[in-house]
Amino acid sequence: ETGVTQSPTHLIKTRGQQVTLRCSSQSGHNTVSWYQQALGQGPQFIFQYYREEENGRGNFPPRFSGLQFPNYSSELNVNALELDDSALYLCASSDTRGAQETQYFGPGTRLLVL
Amino acid sequence: AQRVTQPEKLLSVFKGAPVELKCNYSYSGSPELFWYVQYSRQRLQLLLRHISRESIKGFTADLNKGETSFHLKKPFAQEEDSAMYYCALSGTSYGKLTFGQGTILTVHP
Repeated sequence: ETGVTQSPTHLIKTRGQQVTLRCSSQSGHNTVSWYQQALGQGPQFIFQYYREEENGRGNFPPRFSGLQFPNYSSELNVNALELDDSALYLCASSDTRGAQETQYFGPGTRLLVL
Repeated sequence: AQRVTQPEKLLSVFKGAPVELKCNYSYSGSPELFWYVQYSRQRLQLLLRHISRESIKGFTADLNKGETSFHLKKPFAQEEDSAMYYCALSGTSYGKLTFGQGTILTVHP
């Protein structure tokens, strides 16, 4: 059983640019959630994808968007990057078909916006 | 609105001492509560969830709905327990997790 993987591990962008982060879910999982973790803070929910559609969204602007693919992998896209977007972006996968849903986290992608 | 508060950013104890990491939550419905742990250079991982009523690595946590708390306890701390601990709440049907700010636990030899 492979765990959640994310790419890239680190990324540096400049303000106004666009970025795409990738996540491969754990084998057998059908749901992917994305979180933003600023320095010294707990993770904040961005959105969740299930069956290739957004299934819930946190308090993030529309320039944060995502995709889920038929193999359950996912992308997080951020347009018009701002300095405050600098953070660790975490992906978590889960299997909503079971009685107890547990989210398993990837190692994260650290994004720095200059 | 969902909110999780961990009042202590840092907690230091000596090996063998009892440890309690505090977590209070705010949610109008019936929440599901979790403790996640992040050891140095490792990813965030689930430690325990209240509905399982398990003891993992000697840790337990009891949901107190009257006090809206879900404190994490261990009677005898070990050095390998040193880590960042996050309390999290899931109150929606789609499993969104709301995290506290985390507590860094340091267990001294």
